[in-house]
Amino acid sequence: DQQVKQNSPSLSVQEGRISILNCDYTNSMFDYFLWYKKYPAEGPTFLISISSIKDKNEDGRFTVFLNKSAKHLSLHIVPSQPGDSAVYFCAASRISNTGKLIFGQGTTLQVKP
Amino acid sequence: EADIYQTPRYLVIGTGKKITLECSQTMGHDKMYWYQQDPGMELHLIHYSYGVNSTEKGDLSSESTVSRIRTEHFPLTLESARPSHTSQYLCASGNAGVQHFGDGTRLSIL
Repeated sequence: DQQVKQNSPSLSVQEGRISILNCDYTNSMFDYFLWYKKYPAEGPTFLISISSIKDKNEDGRFTVFLNKSAKHLSLHIVPSQPGDSAVYFCAASRISNTGKLIFGQGTTLQVKP
Repeated sequence: EADIYQTPRYLVIGTGKKITLECSQTMGHDKMYWYQQDPGMELHLIHYSYGVNSTEKGDLSSESTVSRIRTEHFPLTLESARPSHTSQYLCASGNAGVQHFGDGTRLSIL
């Protein structure tokens, strides 16, 4: 049973426009959520995180929104750049527990020049 | 920024060989993790450690074993490699929620 789901395997956007990546989770005990970016042949790189006590966190071009009632989070990238083309993973954890991360399957973002 | 190193980056080896994948971090993190990832799939936790002499199995069953004799070092061992072990293995470390990953070892068992 997959606790974290990214239902869109891929997304293509034009340079300069907004990219919106979505993630759903089923376990209401998760209290910390993260987004990672992964290039081929490299490990995931941490992008941005959000605690369950917040509904929005912003860092430069990246904003994460959390809707606890819908068990949904999203990552907004504005403006999108060709260098943002990568696989994006969302992950969830229970900080008070082991801190183990549960990952979604990833969404491949392509930003076209 | 966390520094975490994995060797080798790529390994192609025959069935039945003993393999050790190395992982070292220089940030002094107590918690370290091993994940397994197949193409197009999510990362699955196979082992983790809270500190020296602490190791636990993760959510995905694995025939590999790990050890944690020093804080900075968390090697993973396969005693007898099989084709089903072909995958990418990612090591991570971190405290306070965020985990930092190495570049992984892509393992192919012939």
